[in-house]
Amino acid sequence: SQKIEQNSEALNIQEGKTATLTCNYTNYSPAYLQWYRQDPGRGPVFLLLIRENEKEKRKERLKVTFDTTLKQSLFHITASQPADSATYLCALDLARQLTFGSGTQLTVLP
Amino acid sequence: DADVTQTPRNRITKTGKRIMLECSQTKGHDRMYWYRQDPGLGLRLIYYSFDVKDINKGEISDGYSVSRQAQAKFSLSLESAIPNQTALYFCATSDPGQGNTGELFFGEGSRLTVL
Repeated sequence: SQKIEQNSEALNIQEGKTATLTCNYTNYSPAYLQWYRQDPGRGPVFLLLIRENEKEKRKERLKVTFDTTLKQSLFHITASQPADSATYLCALDLARQLTFGSGTQLTVLP
Repeated sequence: DADVTQTPRNRITKTGKRIMLECSQTKGHDRMYWYRQDPGLGLRLIYYSFDVKDINKGEISDGYSVSRQAQAKFSLSLESAIPNQTALYFCATSDPGQGNTGELFFGEGSRLTVL
């Protein structure tokens, strides 16, 4: 069956450290993958899109990798801040629609 | 004003009632989506529309129907609400890129409780 898994429901890290979130999928072959941030009670907000032929994409303190052999994407936040605390969702872009993982709740401790 | 507006933001109703959630957008996008979000299950696609005449079922369309009244408006209906439809519902729009869905722009959500 098709499945998208994001590592642990919750991740706590210390301010200033790098947060690494994992998105694994099975039985999909997405050409693109997206990451979103969601704050409590709000709609998700787009962060980054990466294509299958891009190994890595960066935006400010954010970095995403996409390994289609491992069927995995890693999402990194460097020099993390308490304001980065939120739920992060990965989404497989299947051209006609996005299919989302259940998200990882990140808490950055001061 | 928000680019994607959902009404109502909160609604409590009883089993068997008909409910409509409305979504309007000012982004000029052709594609619109309805998702529901449940704790631990993430966002699941209910219906999506590529234009006024193109409406498609998503992963969990049973018990729901939609209407695309105009490019800017996409409504979700629960004909006879049941308690397991209690969830947070999101409308979204996108402008597709080359071979991809494009970035989704979400509304603020409609929290529905069915008693």
